[in-house]
Amino acid sequence: EIVLTQSPATLSVSPGERATLSCRASESVSRNLAWYQQKPGQAPRLLISGASTRATGIPARVSGSGSETEFTLTISGLQSEDFAVYYCHQYTNWPPSETFGQGTKVEIK
Amino acid sequence: EVQLVQSGAEVKKPGESLKISCKGSGYDFATYWIGWVRQMPGKGLEWMGIVYPADSDPRYSPSFEGQVTMSADKSITTAYLQWNSLKVSDSAVYYCVRRSSNTFLLSPFDSWGQGTLVTVTS
Repeated sequence: EIVLTQSPATLSVSPGERATLSCRASESVSRNLAWYQQKPGQAPRLLISGASTRATGIPARVSGSGSETEFTLTISGLQSEDFAVYYCHQYTNWPPSETFGQGTKVEIK
Repeated sequence: EVQLVQSGAEVKKPGESLKISCKGSGYDFATYWIGWVRQMPGKGLEWMGIVYPADSDPRYSPSFEGQVTMSADKSITTAYLQWNSLKVSDSAVYYCVRRSSNTFLLSPFDSWGQGTLVTVTS
């Protein structure tokens, strides 16, 4: 099983600043890596697929990068709606053996 | 508009059986893999498995193989997740999810149901 390790567990950021989240895979997932945002009491929402492709309706201040085992989600100019928990997800194998990272909480500093 | 609407919250006793549902609309239900994701209270997301509605062909995470059964009925555009004998540790929110592509096997989940809270308590 591919293990995804996200860091940090919690990130304290002031509104307007930039948040940088990391996701490291225990083995290569190529670019088969997605990012999701989850707010309290809500279902997660897809932000990024293929490591760097924004999903429909996601603003340009949200960006993803990386490949193989190292991935980054960057949110610039943090707004109130960005404070949430973020998960990475790898979907690289068939038959499927997918995994999620443990999540990074972005909180208001 | 793609929608996944899940059945309501359930309260069950240990040892009871349960089947929860996920109705898809706004797309060709049969040709998109539907997955299930567990979220235990205060915890992260866990991938349980997926099912192909066209032939109800399931694939399970090793962690959930033998613990749950996934199926789908394309005639009523509904996917199911069932347990034969619930445990207290099955208490969680369960989300159904749709693969973003029906042509590429390797694709993320672009639509999520609202979640079904399952509480197992004696």
